[in-house]
Amino acid sequence: DTEVTQTPKHLVMGMTNKKSLKCEQHMGHRAMYWYKQKAKKPPELMFVYSYEKLSINESVPSRFSPECPNSSLLNLHLHALQPEDSALYLCASSQESWLAGNNEQFFGPGTRLTVL
Amino acid sequence: GQQLNQSPQSMFIQEGEDVSMNCTSSSIFNTWLWYKQDPGEGPVLLIALYKAGELTSNGRLTAQFGITRKDSFLNISASIPSDVGIYFCAGLTGNQFYFGTGTSLTVIP
Repeated sequence: DTEVTQTPKHLVMGMTNKKSLKCEQHMGHRAMYWYKQKAKKPPELMFVYSYEKLSINESVPSRFSPECPNSSLLNLHLHALQPEDSALYLCASSQESWLAGNNEQFFGPGTRLTVL
Repeated sequence: GQQLNQSPQSMFIQEGEDVSMNCTSSSIFNTWLWYKQDPGEGPVLLIALYKAGELTSNGRLTAQFGITRKDSFLNISASIPSDVGIYFCAGLTGNQFYFGTGTSLTVIP
């Protein structure tokens, strides 16, 4: 298995809803990432997990809450989002933490999130 | 964070033509990666480069790690309609990972 999977593919939610995005990989990768991407822009890093521990939080608002239940799974819990949070949310994984250097990141297909 | 500048920003070419794009930075990188992203999908890794001067091919794609370590180039030969998409470079240095600004490619049949 050489892919990163993400569910759901599309999500529409109101500003008072609570929802979760899920990401899974079975490549034995030890680092997993969440990115946010707006149309025609490069992905922006949100969080990095290395060996199931949060390594980097790029000053993301607390309405986004990541969770890494085990080495294969990464969740992103959403609560009280704003319309400007509408974007494509991408999950990625790499063999080791990017601190190890020379680490290729493999991306999932993304979840298209719309906040009404 | 630091941005890698890609050029051109967009390209419109005829099917069968060759394509060249580049990615430049004011800083040195240890690894260069090239990704292609189709609309509504995640980026797909095309080529990874690990050494200055390295030239690597993947089918019709060829990428080079610039000798100064501050730039990288991607060439696509004999373009086909499915080459359409946005191409992103990415650079790694130490514990930092940066995406380029992207090159949007349109291939006219």
